[in-house]
Amino acid sequence: EGQLVESGGDLVQPGGSLRLSCAASGFTFSRDWMHWVRQAPGKGLVWVSRIDFDGITTAYADSVKGRFTISRDNAKNTLYLQMNSLRAEDTAVYYCARGQWYAMGVWGQGTTVTVSS
Amino acid sequence: QSALTQPPSASGSPGQSVTISCTGTSSDVGGYNYVSWYQQHPGKAPKIMIYEVNKRPSGVPDRFSGSKSGNTASLTVSGLQAEDEADYYCCSYTGSSWVFGGGTKLTVL
Repeated sequence: EGQLVESGGDLVQPGGSLRLSCAASGFTFSRDWMHWVRQAPGKGLVWVSRIDFDGITTAYADSVKGRFTISRDNAKNTLYLQMNSLRAEDTAVYYCARGQWYAMGVWGQGTTVTVSS
Repeated sequence: QSALTQPPSASGSPGQSVTISCTGTSSDVGGYNYVSWYQQHPGKAPKIMIYEVNKRPSGVPDRFSGSKSGNTASLTVSGLQAEDEADYYCCSYTGSSWVFGGGTKLTVL
């Protein structure tokens, strides 16, 4: 099944940047799509981005397109999310998830991003 | 990428059955058999309960079942137990992205 551990969440000012990481273990990372999903305080889940096996094909929610970049390093079993031009509405817990069955089969525990001055 | 529509709340007594609906469009729920459901307890990460409309991952009790008709998917929890009290989210593939429902808070009375 595997395990995912996110890191990199922090308090950042509006307009700032942050890079999240997600370390994968217990499964063949290079064979799976990977996702980022976020959850604002007290709100529901929102899909953010997806990357395919080798990092060539990516997809983004309209709300982050042009500001966020998903990438992966299969040699390090690590997924990334580079977040630029951050806004208050980007404040959320960010989860990485293993793509299985056109769904999110395994989730990390999440890392918190707060955008505030 | 409008969110799928779920009722904000649902409830049932222990042992009863509850069904949660998830309504989308022909561009998401109705167009693909890639509807999944997630359970989330307070302060915890989501957990997948159903994938591809009606399949259960290993370890998920068979009290949980899924179905779909047209643009509406459903999650049924039979034989309600106290530990089923949680938030439930549906999710659908849209051909190029994914979209979640707003979530349903299931209360076990």
